[in-house]
Amino acid sequence: GAVVSQHPSWVICKSGTSVKIECRSLDFQATTMFWYRQFPKQSLMLMATSNEGSKATYEQGVEKDKFLINHASLTLSTLTVTSAHPEDSSFYICSARGGATPTDTQYFGPGTRLTVL
Amino acid sequence: AQTVTQSQPEMSVQEAETVTLSCTYDTSENNYYLFWYKQPPSRQMILVIRQEAYKQQNATENRFSVNFQKAAKSFSLKISDSQLGDTAMYFCAFMKNTGNQFYFGTGTSLTVIP
Repeated sequence: GAVVSQHPSWVICKSGTSVKIECRSLDFQATTMFWYRQFPKQSLMLMATSNEGSKATYEQGVEKDKFLINHASLTLSTLTVTSAHPEDSSFYICSARGGATPTDTQYFGPGTRLTVL
Repeated sequence: AQTVTQSQPEMSVQEAETVTLSCTYDTSENNYYLFWYKQPPSRQMILVIRQEAYKQQNATENRFSVNFQKAAKSFSLKISDSQLGDTAMYFCAFMKNTGNQFYFGTGTSLTVIP
């Protein structure tokens, strides 16, 4: 099956610094990528939808200036958490959709655990 | 708005036995998709099974099958011959026919006991 990778798998940073998380589709081109956030023992919550070459669409309540998303190529999307604070500590998961049809299968990355001290 | 409810936070089953995980949802849509995803301790989300709402036949994938009751808005997952590797968090999810966004339930933590 299709493979999606995330880097890094975990990161610890100091409060006030910025952290970049990469999401790559390894064996297919992803026109659309999605970023989710998962708090401990909770479900995944969609943060934003990213289309290659265009601005991301953010869900209500997600600060676009804090969570910067760039989808510069068909195989790479990045999420930058700017001026991170302890409340941003969470598990961030991306998914990628290869087909043009909205209901084509989304493949999930393994996630990135962010801890802000 | 779409909501997905999983009323069983935790479940356990003996190895080789059968277990059913419950899921209900609320939507005004007529065409949609339903999914069960598995999230093992590695945290990697894995698609278990998918059901199109317009199909009356219940989806099956090897040991995994669903009981889809559209009128009741119910979508349960049956795992037969449970294996230790089935231990994971299971999420029920809904997607509109127009696609894109998953609406996930809160998950059921399943433990298979040897």
